[in-house]
Amino acid sequence: DTGVSQNPRHKITKRGQNVTFRCDPISEHNRLYWYRQTLGQGPEFLTYFQNEAQLEKSRLLSDRFSAERPKGSFSTLEIQRTEQGDSAMYLCASSSSFEQYFGPGTRLTVT
Amino acid sequence: SQQGEEDPQALSIQEGENATMNCSYKTSINNLQWYRQNSGRGLVHLILIRSNEREKHSGRLRVTLDTSKKSSSLLITASRAADTASYFCAPAQAGTALIFGKGTTLSVSS
Repeated sequence: DTGVSQNPRHKITKRGQNVTFRCDPISEHNRLYWYRQTLGQGPEFLTYFQNEAQLEKSRLLSDRFSAERPKGSFSTLEIQRTEQGDSAMYLCASSSSFEQYFGPGTRLTVT
Repeated sequence: SQQGEEDPQALSIQEGENATMNCSYKTSINNLQWYRQNSGRGLVHLILIRSNEREKHSGRLRVTLDTSKKSSSLLITASRAADTASYFCAPAQAGTALIFGKGTTLSVSS
């Protein structure tokens, strides 16, 4: 399968713990996006990479969130000191032009 | 970046009927995209229409764009139960992230 993959698919963690998610984009895509989605809402933009450079970050994004794309291939999203409000689906997408191709998401539950 | 607003929020139809959903936005765009999301899954890109295009077709999908009214519509003809999903529009400018609205939830019953 040459689509976007995300791991893990599900993560349950206790409040205060750190979590890290991984996204593997389509190999020839230079752009990578992270979104967060809660029930009944559309995906909310978090951050965007072009190759290894982080070009845009949502002003709503807490300092507890950090993302990397060290070699311009896969990306990781880390949430430090998780809070119950961080419970959501975290979606990754990649692109080589305008259309974005989404992965299946990582569902985070913070207890 | 700018957000599209979909209307209606929810739509229920019978199989075989057509479904129309609308999108409005506020500033100039380079293109507008429509995405579908089945429950609990990632989004799937359906169609992209450029700002200099007025209508585009893809299979049972027809998208229109009126840049003077800053609006777009997505028509799904001869709907099927498998079309049940949420549909999002994303007005886009070159080089910027997509901002999604709440979407239209379509339910197609057999």
